[in-house]
Parts: sequence; structure tokens; C-alpha cells
Amino acid sequence: DQQVKQNSPSLSVQEGRISILNCDYTNSMFDYFLWYKKYPAEGPTFLISISSIKDKNEDGRFTVFLNKSAKHLSLHIVPSQPGDSAVYFCAASLYNQGGKLIFGQGTELSVKP
Amino acid sequence: EAGVAQSPRYKIIEKRQSVAFWCNPISGHATLYWYQQILGQGPKLLIQFQNNGVVDDSQLPKDRFSAERLKGVDSTLKIQPAKLEDSAVYLCASSGQGTYGYTFGSGTRLTVV
Repeated sequence: DQQVKQNSPSLSVQEGRISILNCDYTNSMFDYFLWYKKYPAEGPTFLISISSIKDKNEDGRFTVFLNKSAKHLSLHIVPSQPGDSAVYFCAASLYNQGGKLIFGQGTELSVKP
Repeated sequence: EAGVAQSPRYKIIEKRQSVAFWCNPISGHATLYWYQQILGQGPKLLIQFQNNGVVDDSQLPKDRFSAERLKGVDSTLKIQPAKLEDSAVYLCASSGQGTYGYTFGSGTRLTVV
């Protein structure tokens, strides 16, 4: 039962261009969504989040969009930099489950100079 | 503030042996999580502690996995006996009261041969 899905295992973009990472979910009761970034041999680090009552949240080069009717969210990185190369995980939370996060499979982003 | 500490970083054992992992969360974080991340998949929650009580262990294979959180601070996760399919990165994370998102440790990479 994969409640959070990232259907693209990998993405390659040119430096300076936009990176768009996608995530779909099935449970309409999720109330909070987060993106984590993971470098090799390190734990995931928090990147950006969005509440289910919003449709957009922006933090510098990173913007997360939420489309509740489509049960879809996306992470935009503009402009992409080589240091952004990492695995990105989408995660969703149900507040009444004590903050438990359910993760997607991850998308490996490669930003080429 | 100091991050989430985990040890060891790497462990190689033979199947049917036992192994233990240790985690020290961020000071003051009441909630502690153990996640299993198999290569190519997203992290999957094994167990969640609130202080020293278990909140969710529904996905913990209790016939071979056990975990405890001593005095509501450090935690250990044990596998006995290990199977080949237990090869994964074991991530510990902690979160503060009423916050979404966690801080992860660097993980322990377990290889069962």
C-alpha cells in the first residue's frame, strides 16, 4: 500500500534551468507535506514543507506546489545548481498519527554543469 | 545544537547473527523514530517512541526486531537473528513537541551476508 509515490526514479537537468520533482498521494487526510534532500552516506535533511490548507510555499530557490484535488505536489528548484544533486524524498503526515511521516521512493536529481 | 547521533556507521554481519544500533536524539526531543531504508526505496517507519513509551510499532517485525528507549533519551534497535533482507540503512530521527518534520541522524548501513 504505497500511499506516497514518486514515479520518476531519476531526473537530469542542466545547471541554471528549472528542476521539477513530482509526488502523488492517495490519502486525502494527509494534512502536511514535506520534502527532504539526501546526500550519499548522510541522513535526509529537511528542505521545505507545506500545509494542506495552502497551495504554494516558497523558500529562496525552492517552491512547493500542492494540488489537493489531484492529490499531487511538486517541488520546483530555480535555478538548479550542481550542489542540488541528491535524492529528494516527498513525505506526508497525518497529525492524528503523532507526526508519523510516510515517504515516497525518492527521485535522484542530477544537475549537470 | 548537536544533531542526532547514531552508531555504528557501518556493520557487516552474517545471517542469523545479531546486531544492535544506538541512537542519541537531539536534547529535549520527546519523540524518537527508527526508520528502515532499503536501497531504492523511501524510509519506512519501524517504531516511534514518545518519551520512553511506544506510540507505533505496527511495522516492526517483532519476531526478530526489538527496540527500547532508556529513560526517554537514548534508544537501541536490535535484530536477532538477522536475515539477508534486513540489509538496509537504519535511520534514527527525533522531533520536538508539536512540530512537523524531524531531524535525522546519518544512519547505520547494515549488510547481511
